[in-house]
Amino acid sequence: EVQLVQSGAEVKKPGESLQISCKGSGYSFTRYWIGWVRQKSGKGLEWMGIIYPGDSDTTYSPSFQGQVTISADKSVSAAYLHLTSLKASDTAIYFCVRSYTNSWDLIEIWGQGTQVTVSS
Amino acid sequence: SSELTQDPAVSVALGQTVRITCQGDSLRNYHATWYQQRPGQAPVLVFYGNNNRPSGIPDRFSGSSSGNTVSLTITGAQAEDEADYYCNSRDSSGNYLIFGGGTKLTVL
Repeated sequence: EVQLVQSGAEVKKPGESLQISCKGSGYSFTRYWIGWVRQKSGKGLEWMGIIYPGDSDTTYSPSFQGQVTISADKSVSAAYLHLTSLKASDTAIYFCVRSYTNSWDLIEIWGQGTQVTVSS
Repeated sequence: SSELTQDPAVSVALGQTVRITCQGDSLRNYHATWYQQRPGQAPVLVFYGNNNRPSGIPDRFSGSSSGNTVSLTITGAQAEDEADYYCNSRDSSGNYLIFGGGTKLTVL
């Protein structure tokens, strides 16, 4: 079974940093794009960016460029979302997603989501 | 523009047909994808491209496209179809993905 399993919920203070992990299983990790999607409470979905674990080719949404870092470690079949200088407005659920085949623009599989709460 | 516009809310009587639409200039050039998100759950892919339904998605879900508008149609809506629906496609530059604002479907 193809799965994306994300790390657990986090509670952080403003100014802190955070890394969320997303481990893929049941498929060849290096052959599919992995992306990240943000969803604030009661709001819609926001595409943040993607990475191709095979060669670490990465693209960021202009809305998130410079604000986050996406990386991948193919040796452990995991992708990461790194957030720095956290603000209350970063409070959200973050989903990792996998592409359909090698089509970067079609999201097929979703992780379970990681709730991030930033509060003093 | 680089936006996808959806009606915030739509309702349908149980067993009837409902169409959920998504408008955007980029849809003239790029295929759209539809996701269903039930409360407290991750989204699920329900339709993509011109005529593709993932395995396990009921055939009451179908899609269509015309000009700058794509539609997701549910023929014979069921109670379990009550959810938020999001369209997704490339933006006008073709370099990024964007989501519509979502449509909350209520099954009466």
